[in-house]
Amino acid sequence: DAGVTQSPTHLIKTRGQQVTLRCSPKSGHDTVSWYQQALGQGPQFIFQYYEEEERQRGNFPDRFSGHQFPNYSSELNVNALLLGDSALYLCASSLVDRRQGYTFGSGTRLTVV
Amino acid sequence: QQPVQSPQAVILREGEDAVINCSSSKALYSVHWYRQKHGEAPVFLMILLKGGEQKGHEKISASFNEKKQQSSLYLTASQLSYSGTYFCGTRGGGGNKLTFGTGTQLKVEL
Repeated sequence: DAGVTQSPTHLIKTRGQQVTLRCSPKSGHDTVSWYQQALGQGPQFIFQYYEEEERQRGNFPDRFSGHQFPNYSSELNVNALLLGDSALYLCASSLVDRRQGYTFGSGTRLTVV
Repeated sequence: QQPVQSPQAVILREGEDAVINCSSSKALYSVHWYRQKHGEAPVFLMILLKGGEQKGHEKISASFNEKKQQSSLYLTASQLSYSGTYFCGTRGGGGNKLTFGTGTQLKVEL
């Protein structure tokens, strides 16, 4: 049973550029959440998608946007990259049932230079 | 409103026990616990729900005090494989997002 798949695993971008990260949820899961994790810190919530709609958003600027497709996969887009956007970006999938845990992907390590 | 975990770090000898605490300033619907090893994805350990329901790995135990908005994770007879950073994640009653705590680094040595 495949878990959560994220691509790419590593990425180096220049300030001002745009980036798209991709996530395929665990089979059977319908909800995708995106997190940003800085080194040595806990994951910070970016947003959550269900039924192709953004359900809730964390304290991130509009430069961060997302999308969920009919097959439940998701993309995270970041525009006008800043050095401070360098982090591990984690995708977590779950069921819309809030009584279930999350399954995380291994993440995309984004470095902005 | 990030949950606060304690201790920040702990070192154990194999076989020893440990307790990791998670405290929130707001009313909670559920508490999650995850373990993350260096360079890897967080792995789900347990979820504790308002009302007493719990789901998770058999060898992991935890408690959830709804009135105090606190949860504790109990690691008994620790093994080398328990090493990693433990995060609690909390969810309020009206929201969908899971807010992660500050993390507790656990190292188990021989």
